[in-house]
Amino acid sequence: DAGITQSPRHKVTETGTPVTLRCHQTENHRYMYWYRQDPGHGLRLIHYSYGVKDTDKGEVSDGYSVSRSKTEDFLLTLESATSSQTSVYFCATRGEGTQPQHFGDGTRLSIL
Amino acid sequence: GDSVTQMEGPVTLSEEAFLTINCTYTATGYPSLFWYVQYPGEGLQLLLKATKADDKGSNKGFEATYRKETTSFHLEKGSVQVSDSAVYFCALSDQTGNQFYFGTGTSLTVIP
Repeated sequence: DAGITQSPRHKVTETGTPVTLRCHQTENHRYMYWYRQDPGHGLRLIHYSYGVKDTDKGEVSDGYSVSRSKTEDFLLTLESATSSQTSVYFCATRGEGTQPQHFGDGTRLSIL
Repeated sequence: GDSVTQMEGPVTLSEEAFLTINCTYTATGYPSLFWYVQYPGEGLQLLLKATKADDKGSNKGFEATYRKETTSFHLEKGSVQVSDSAVYFCALSDQTGNQFYFGTGTSLTVIP
């Protein structure tokens, strides 16, 4: 697809620990997104970026932070993980204009 | 605000049956419309798109026509296969491309 790699693909951790998920793209796309996918809720936008060091909140941003220090990497951090953040997390990228979003294969995160 | 509504599933069809998954949208201006497909354990893949009224997107035997008069973008396939079993998402981007909205997904199972 659009050269998007998410890491790790699976992670199990404990409540209260910090967690960082990484999204790496090779397409030089300006826009990057983090979503979570939960049964009955579809995809919900957490944060997005419209350029290096330019980020903004989505509809479910509480408890999450992001950073984008270079075009190809977009990091999602859970400062203190809670069980409600157990989910599958997807990264997406998009080029300019009305181009579609392209998705990574997801990270399955379980918080015990 | 802008939104997408798609028919709820799950949908179960026999192989070679005709498929329709309904999608309607609410948007100001001239959005672009997309269908994505998600296979188990994978991210969303772009299936087809249409960027203006009366455009028909098509791919792998699937088709959808952008109908502005009925604000619809229904997905159709004349003869489904077992390999089409997946979750299908309708999506919209606003005319700037900066805002994306996804439907909640429709699960399709095709039985031999």
